[in-house]
Amino acid sequence: AQSVSQHNHHVILSEAASLELGCNYSYGGTVNLFWYVQYPGQHLQLLLKYFSGDPLVKGIKGFEAEFIKSKFSFNLRKPSVQWSDTAEYFCAVNANTGNQFYFGTGTSLTVIP
Amino acid sequence: DAGITQSPRHKVTETGTPVTLRCHQTENHRYMYWYRQDPGHGLRLIHYSYGVKDTDKGEVSDGYSVSRSKTEDFLLTLESATSSQTSVYFCAISGAGRYNEQFFGPGTRLTVL
Repeated sequence: AQSVSQHNHHVILSEAASLELGCNYSYGGTVNLFWYVQYPGQHLQLLLKYFSGDPLVKGIKGFEAEFIKSKFSFNLRKPSVQWSDTAEYFCAVNANTGNQFYFGTGTSLTVIP
Repeated sequence: DAGITQSPRHKVTETGTPVTLRCHQTENHRYMYWYRQDPGHGLRLIHYSYGVKDTDKGEVSDGYSVSRSKTEDFLLTLESATSSQTSVYFCAISGAGRYNEQFFGPGTRLTVL
């Protein structure tokens, strides 16, 4: 089975600071990669996705992620966070030959105004 | 947002009682999933369905059963609820094929006393 690791469990930043959240997965084949965001009390929403092509993926709200195949990583970045980015962030992977999705345990981001 | 509804949205029940959660989609997607979300564990797959009457177990299926008699509905049943099943339950849907992401429902908060 595949697994996904998010090493940062809780991150606290001040507004305008830069963000990078780590995500590593274990699967040797071709994968689809996702970042989801969950605002307090809400459901998961897709931030961005990688299926193929350019390994630098841009998503909504100024987020981007870079797929580095050799490192089995798909880190999420944002140059300047806002208070409204306070949320939980989940990395997910799916082998593109199957329909099971595997999620990391999530990173809770708190942005201080 | 994808057309996914869950009912009920909140439920409090007592240990030993049966509980059924419903997920309804209007997207005609082939795949439907039930996850539970608990602090420190992220999302864990309970069961999923790959078509009408076609279901399979996820990593935390003990104590849960599912049924899918129509494309649009996926039911999760706790035959005899226990306090360890207190959680937030999310339904998700996904299309078939290589390039698909999951869309999530609003969640059901279940408390078992």
